[in-house]
Amino acid sequence: GAVVSQHPSRVICKSGTSVKIECRSLDFQATTMFWYRQFPKQSLMLMATSNEGSKATYEQGVEKDKFLINHASLTLSTLTVTSAHPEDSSFYICSATPDGFYGYTFGSGTRLTVV
Amino acid sequence: TQLLEQSPQFLSIQEGENLTVYCNSSSVFSSLQWYRQEPGEGPVLLVTVVTGGEVKKLKRLTFQFGDARKDSSLHITAAQPGDTGLYLCAGGSNYQLIWGAGTKLIIKP
Repeated sequence: GAVVSQHPSRVICKSGTSVKIECRSLDFQATTMFWYRQFPKQSLMLMATSNEGSKATYEQGVEKDKFLINHASLTLSTLTVTSAHPEDSSFYICSATPDGFYGYTFGSGTRLTVV
Repeated sequence: TQLLEQSPQFLSIQEGENLTVYCNSSSVFSSLQWYRQEPGEGPVLLVTVVTGGEVKKLKRLTFQFGDARKDSSLHITAAQPGDTGLYLCAGGSNYQLIWGAGTKLIIKP
């Protein structure tokens, strides 16, 4: 089955620093990957759609300059939270699908804590 | 704007009881997916239904897609503590997913 690997699973950083989160499709190619943010006890909120070889598509209200997305290959997308602040602390999850129809595979998520 | 209303948002029942979770929309979806998420983990796909009226069973879980492909239900028979988790429905449309708010399910021994 399709496997998506996400790293790191947990990260604690100081306010003002940047953090990079990686999302890899291990056994399939993904021209598109999705980045979500999830607050406690809530559903997933789509932040952006990562497109291989082109610019990411951001959802309304998501700051492009703060959440930098790079999708340089068919198996890797990265999300960089720049100049992190405590309000950026959250659970970030990526997903991808080999066929776009029958279901999405999610990474295990990254718990970001900004202190 | 497509919306997917999921209910109930929270459910706490005793082991052995039955339950149903609903996802309703005024929009038609090409597929309806159900996921289960445990704390600190990403969602895991349980099932995808694509045909109006389709019923799929996964052990004690029964998933149904409405005839008009606007709604879906998840029924759990004889719930067990291992069923505890966050259940999410998602409607597929044009390679995008519209998410329900989730149902936090707790099964008490």
